[in-house]
Amino acid sequence: AQTVTQSQPEMSVQEAETVTLSCTYDTSENNYYLFWYKQPPSRQMILVIRQEAYKQQNATENRFSVNFQKAAKSFSLKISDSQLGDTAMYFCAFMPYNQGGKLIFGQGTELSVKP
Amino acid sequence: DGGITQSPKYLFRKEGQNVTLSCEQNLNHDAMYWYRQDPGQGLRLIYYSQIVNDFQKGDIAEGYSVSREKKESFPLTVTSAQKNPTAFYLCASSMSRIGGLAGWGDTDTQYFGPGTRLTVL
Repeated sequence: AQTVTQSQPEMSVQEAETVTLSCTYDTSENNYYLFWYKQPPSRQMILVIRQEAYKQQNATENRFSVNFQKAAKSFSLKISDSQLGDTAMYFCAFMPYNQGGKLIFGQGTELSVKP
Repeated sequence: DGGITQSPKYLFRKEGQNVTLSCEQNLNHDAMYWYRQDPGQGLRLIYYSQIVNDFQKGDIAEGYSVSREKKESFPLTVTSAQKNPTAFYLCASSMSRIGGLAGWGDTDTQYFGPGTRLTVL
């Protein structure tokens, strides 16, 4: 079975500091996508960043970057210069390439950014 | 504005009733998806549709039904057979799910609507 594990149910960080959220996944597939989604209190799911498994270069989007370790099946999210608006639940998600677009989500990490 | 809309935002159902959740998108996306979110958990896939008039069951399809008569619409019916329907329901869409034909790119990224909170009374 394909699974996604986020081992940190809750995390907190001071405003302007850097925080890293962990994610590991289990699959026998070689081709897949990985995503981080953010769900603020409004509950709207917002795409943060995506990574194609065939790309060795880690994806970056402004203050957000990932550390993708394919052999270790690890996909962590680093948030630099944390802002109060980053407070949200963060979900790691895995999409195998050949299963109709099915997204498999982790349990989420609740991040609190403190002033 | 292009986007995905879901209605209603809140829905209350009595025991034994069927209810339908609406999902509409004007992004010209081919694929649409329904997920369920329970408290403290990630999302689980209920149904998905890659093209009009075609859909497939996800991991937790029992007690739910869908239709895809139009490209922009993918309504979800929660039937009385669903034993524990109280949850937050999210609809998503993506540009394409035809994988190898479309090539690698952003076509598989799913974008979500604002969700519907369903409560059984």
